[in-house]
Amino acid sequence: DGGITQSPKYLFRKEGQNVTLSCEQNLNHDAMYWYRQDPGQGLRLIYYSQIVNDFQKGDIAEGYSVSREKKESFPLTVTSAQKNPTAFYLCASSFTGFFYDTQYFGPGTRLTVL
Amino acid sequence: ILNVEQSPQSLHVQEGDSTNFTCSFPSSNFYALHWYRWETAKSPEALFVMTLNGDEKKKGRISATLNTKEGYSYLYIKGSQPEDSATYLCAFTRDQETSGSRLTFGEGTQLTVNP
Repeated sequence: DGGITQSPKYLFRKEGQNVTLSCEQNLNHDAMYWYRQDPGQGLRLIYYSQIVNDFQKGDIAEGYSVSREKKESFPLTVTSAQKNPTAFYLCASSFTGFFYDTQYFGPGTRLTVL
Repeated sequence: ILNVEQSPQSLHVQEGDSTNFTCSFPSSNFYALHWYRWETAKSPEALFVMTLNGDEKKKGRISATLNTKEGYSYLYIKGSQPEDSATYLCAFTRDQETSGSRLTFGEGTQLTVNP
């Protein structure tokens, strides 16, 4: 079954700890994206990668870091510098890095920082 | 950051009713408009991508229109069914060459169809 997997579904961390969210796709897509959802707001782009070993900041990159060492994987690290990390995080991928291209989403990870 | 507005924020209809909602976006340097459906506990699912002014797309009972000159898109659902209950998201992008081009999402319209 082709698709995007995110793990874990729920994640709890203590304040001040870094945490890494996993995103894997087997769709052979070049581009991958991380979004954050907060109540009353649209999805906001954190980081995106149009090709392996390259990534760009989105609108709210501060306090986050990513890597793209493999085509299939785009992990997101939420660092202690992120002031309000509790949110729902969605990963997506698309065949190309063009923004007219359909994006396919994973099921999301809900991060709660205690 | 560009402003994409969706209205209404939420909508409750009876099974069999037809309904529509609006997505408004900046009309300058338009490139593409996406519609997604997001059911509770599932992943957002792509419905349509539209790029041309006057575009009309249809998928079963759902259709969408696009007016890039005035900056709006309508999503129509004919004969709503309970399984249509979901949040409908629109997302807009300017030309990839435009500085800061990215997919900008609206907050969504939450549709509830009562049996």
